[in-house]
Amino acid sequence: AQSVSQHNHHVILSEAASLELGCNYSYGGTVNLFWYVQYPGQHLQLLLKYFSGDPLVKGIKGFEAEFIKSKFSFNLRKPSVQWSDTAEYFCAVFFYNTDKLIFGTGTRLQVFP
Amino acid sequence: DVKVTQSSRYLVKRTGEKVFLECVQDMDHENMFWYRQDPGLGLRLIYFSYDVKMKEKGDIPEGYSVSREKKERFSLILESASTNQTSMYLCASSPDRGQGNYEQYFGPGTRLTVT
Repeated sequence: AQSVSQHNHHVILSEAASLELGCNYSYGGTVNLFWYVQYPGQHLQLLLKYFSGDPLVKGIKGFEAEFIKSKFSFNLRKPSVQWSDTAEYFCAVFFYNTDKLIFGTGTRLQVFP
Repeated sequence: DVKVTQSSRYLVKRTGEKVFLECVQDMDHENMFWYRQDPGLGLRLIYFSYDVKMKEKGDIPEGYSVSREKKERFSLILESASTNQTSMYLCASSPDRGQGNYEQYFGPGTRLTVT
């Protein structure tokens, strides 16, 4: 079965630290890739997406992600986190061969001042 | 600005009650989705709809049904609520056919507790 894995369930960082959240998916041919963020008390919103082209994607609030096809990965990065980045982050993968969008289990990020 | 609204932020119901969760989007989107969000499990698709009066089962449809009488409104129905349906329910919409061609826009969620 197709799956999306986020291995970091809970990450705790100090402000200004660098962030990398992992996202891996099972083999499934052509994919679209998404990172969503859910700030405390707010609705889920799109952080960035990859459909085609440059595998390094830049999103809102200084986030970026790199699609490495050979590793089936789409890791999220930010060079210097802020307290306001405290949130839950979800990776999602759309598999064209099954027409299904599958979400990862989420990573809870806490940033301390 | 894109908007998806859900009828309640918090809801407490008793076991066996029939529960209606309403979702409305104002973006004229074709697709609408219902997910449940549980800690450690992420988002799981319950039902979705590509058009009015049309519905498709997602990954966990058991115990749920849906209704889409108008394009902007998608309702989730728990025919007989059970405690294992205590969860956060998220509604989403997107502008075209398919689950992954476009981003999905989410509502604020309804936290349902079944006692």
